[in-house]
Amino acid sequence: DIQMTQSPSSLSASVGDRVTITCRASQTIATYLNWYQQKPGGAPRLLIYGVSTLQSGVPSRFSGSGSGTDFTLNITSLQPEDFATYSCQQTYSSPFTFGGGTKVEI
Amino acid sequence: QITLKESGPTLVKPTQTLTLTCTFSGFSLNTHGVGVGWFRQPPGKALEWLALIYWDGDERLSPSLRSRLTITKDTSRNQVVLTMTNMDPVDTATYFCAHRFYNGEARYFDYWGQGILVTVSS
Repeated sequence: DIQMTQSPSSLSASVGDRVTITCRASQTIATYLNWYQQKPGGAPRLLIYGVSTLQSGVPSRFSGSGSGTDFTLNITSLQPEDFATYSCQQTYSSPFTFGGGTKVEI
Repeated sequence: QITLKESGPTLVKPTQTLTLTCTFSGFSLNTHGVGVGWFRQPPGKALEWLALIYWDGDERLSPSLRSRLTITKDTSRNQVVLTMTNMDPVDTATYFCAHRFYNGEARYFDYWGQGILVTVSS
C-alpha cells in the first residue's frame, strides 16, 4: 500500500494568511494526487486533481504543486470559509489512500 | 447534474452484515472510465477508501477489509451496493459513496453523497 503522510495535522491561522500543507507519498504516484476540503458534518469537496488542476468553481487562491512523492497545497489569503480539514489522496494505485488530514483553525 | 445518496441502516449490531446502497443520477455506470467508490470516516478520524466498482464490472477492494466486503452494481437502477460482514464497533463511521472520473490523465472522485452515519452497537 502507498502511505500518504500529511503535515501538519493541524494549524492555526488568521484571515488573510498564506497556508501551506504538505503531503508525501511512500512511493512515486506520478500526478495522481488530489486534494479535498471537508467541513464538519459534510462530505469531502474536491479542490484540486492531478496535483495542480483546480476543480471547477474552486477559488484561485487555492493551488497545488509537486511531483513524484512530494506535494503541496497552498491557500493564499485565507478566507473565513476556508477553515476546514484538508486531505490529500493518491489515485495512482489501489488502495486509494488518504493522508491523515490537516485541520485549519482560527 | 450528478448526485449520489447513501441509504441503509444507521444502527447495526456486532456480527451483523451491513448493506448500504448508493443511488445516483446524472451519469451512467455504463460509460467508459466511470466508477463509483465507497469510503468511510470514523468520528474525528481520517477518510478511508473501501471499494470501487468500474463501468465494466471490474472492482477494487481495500486489502485490509477484502474478506468482509462485496461491491455490486445495478446499472438499470443506477445503484451500487456495498456489503460489509461481521460488523464491529470499530466500524462505526460515516460512509460515503462518490463518483469517480477518469480521462486517461487524471483520476479523482468529484461528486460525493452526503454520507450516512452507521453506528455499531448492541
